[in-house]
Amino acid sequence: GAVVSQHPSWVICKSGTSVKIECRSLDFQATTMFWYRQFPKQSLMLMATSNEGSKATYEQGVEKDKFLINHASLTLSTLTVTSAHPEDSSFYICSRTGGMNTEAFFGQGTRLTVV
Amino acid sequence: AQTVTQSQPEMSVQEAETVTLSCTYDTSESNYYLFWYKQPPSRQMILVIRQEAYKQQNATENRFSVNFQKAAKSFSLKISDSQLGDTAMYFCASRSNSGYALNFGKGTSLLVTP
Repeated sequence: GAVVSQHPSWVICKSGTSVKIECRSLDFQATTMFWYRQFPKQSLMLMATSNEGSKATYEQGVEKDKFLINHASLTLSTLTVTSAHPEDSSFYICSRTGGMNTEAFFGQGTRLTVV
Repeated sequence: AQTVTQSQPEMSVQEAETVTLSCTYDTSESNYYLFWYKQPPSRQMILVIRQEAYKQQNATENRFSVNFQKAAKSFSLKISDSQLGDTAMYFCASRSNSGYALNFGKGTSLLVTP
């Protein structure tokens, strides 16, 4: 079964509004989680590393004030897209790794459409 | 920094045949991990196979196997007895031993035809 649950699976919002995406680690206390963005027919691009109890680490070119990440507990990381614009429309995927395994486990992804 | 290159944007194979997807990578680290992930139309990322760089033996998982050539920094995926359900986007990825984020290639879109 799924070990990472992401919600919602899709969302449509109006320009200028904010949208929150949740990522839960169901079977493991994850001190670190990751947020990726995927445009159609393209690869996954790492946006930021979410660190429990501290600030997220953003990749170069990712606006930290637009993409707010909160990792308040060991099982939940949230990504809030603030003042969304149509160019923010994309597929967002979270993941976690850790424990004895070295691979990443991914959430189901969230398709964001800004109209 | 690690980079991953997949030079085949699209591939097609007939059902029951064998297909090989190519992947090369570049890293300065001595220990690292390599992965193949499958992304079907549902867009859920599914691990296909993984390889630890310190292991010389090529990983296998049922119909899936890799040809890991460490000196050449090559990590190809072979799918035997292809099935219609194998139709998906396949991403090659690397991860350093010191970090946990994955570096993905651009992907190869595989179509399995009847």
